[in-house]
Amino acid sequence: EAGVAQSPRYKIIEKRQSVAFWCNPISGHATLYWYQQILGQGPKLLIQFQNNGVVDDSQLPKDRFSAERLKGVDSTLKIQPAKLEDSAVYLCASSLGRTSDGSYEQYFGPGTRLTVT
Amino acid sequence: QQQVKQSPQSLIVQKGGISIINCAYENTAFDYFPWYQQFPGKGPALLIAIRPDVSEKKEGRFTISFNKSAKQFSLHIMDSQPGDSATYFCAATLYNQGGKLIFGQGTELSVKP
Repeated sequence: EAGVAQSPRYKIIEKRQSVAFWCNPISGHATLYWYQQILGQGPKLLIQFQNNGVVDDSQLPKDRFSAERLKGVDSTLKIQPAKLEDSAVYLCASSLGRTSDGSYEQYFGPGTRLTVT
Repeated sequence: QQQVKQSPQSLIVQKGGISIINCAYENTAFDYFPWYQQFPGKGPALLIAIRPDVSEKKEGRFTISFNKSAKQFSLHIMDSQPGDSATYFCAATLYNQGGKLIFGQGTELSVKP
């Protein structure tokens, strides 16, 4: 089974520039998540999609961040304009949802490391 | 109330020793507690998980101990190996929030040969 794919793996931009990240989840996974992981911290959820609808974007800085999931499969996360504090690893994860034993498993991609200078 | 607090921040253990990482939470509505392992340059991967109606779960060398009354849970790694050197994150989630994970701050484990 292919895992969650993300690109690019690394990106360096100057502040005030824009950047976009792409995620292809595991086939058949209806739920897709974008997390931000700042160095030395745990991942923090930015946005959650169920198919192509937004379930939770309460922690997404909507003045500069946007995300979409067209046709309920691939997703893109965009930052415009970027700030220095946006330097982080952006992780995409996907999930089948809750299983019959009450567990959830989220499968993470390798992430995109963004450096804003 | 949505926080999960993890300690220690870093841990050094000799090969063959026991590694113990602790987490605490406040929200009693959390209903699933996974541990994730993350190697440098990789995304987190699920290691082991427990539901709050169980006090202990063991999978190979990895054991979760869960204390519902104290709102604490811990990961024990028995016979720690250099290949276990990684960052470990505890997490918690709420059924009514679609599996959204609240992560702890992480513990960087180093197992010395």
